[in-house]
Amino acid sequence: GAGVSQTPSNKVTEKGKYVELRCDPISGHTALYWYRQSLGQGPEFLIYFQGTGAADDSGLPNDRFFAVRPEGSVSTLKIQRTERGDSAVYLCASSLRAGGLTSTDTQYFGPGTRLTVL
Amino acid sequence: KNQVEQSPQSLIILEGKNCTLQCNYTVSPFSNLRWYKQDTGRGPVSLTIMTFSENTKSNGRYTATLDADTKQSSLHITASQLSDSASYICVVSESGGSYIPTFGRGTSLIVHP
Repeated sequence: GAGVSQTPSNKVTEKGKYVELRCDPISGHTALYWYRQSLGQGPEFLIYFQGTGAADDSGLPNDRFFAVRPEGSVSTLKIQRTERGDSAVYLCASSLRAGGLTSTDTQYFGPGTRLTVL
Repeated sequence: KNQVEQSPQSLIILEGKNCTLQCNYTVSPFSNLRWYKQDTGRGPVSLTIMTFSENTKSNGRYTATLDADTKQSSLHITASQLSDSASYICVVSESGGSYIPTFGRGTSLIVHP
């Protein structure tokens, strides 16, 4: 595709349920990032992948959050035992090279998945 | 603690006018500073990226400046258009190993006809 895509665009779930959010990066992009954005706030870093491996997962808030990228392209963010405080827009971004967030490569963002936990 | 502060929080201007958004940061050691435009319901779109050695960068009607000594950046929008209505986010990254970028809360710009 032409850009980063994320599915679903909206997800409503009940407290305690498990959810998976999917990100399709731009083809050929080595680096993939997950962020979380609450209303009126800037995005908050969650995790960054170089290829298949998580290069930095220090932004994940707790062990209910987990992300994978098994083949180095599509990534899935998994949230167990969802809580109302998990409600936010989850953004995915990709960049061409695996230079880390200190590189000057442009990050291309997807439209986000709006997660609502009732 | 690394912080990025943006001002004003919101701004309303008339179409055709210029405006300047501010970003102050405490991130150290500094690697790069990015300005993003985020339309409502969309992901952020990169406008400019500046490293330590760059003090100005333009992208069409957008011009970003960086003063690494005072740790301040500004984004100047010239001849504003209705489509400039969006949130503008300043992001600063560290050098030297930490991969966590620090995001500002953004400035919400509304351009009225």
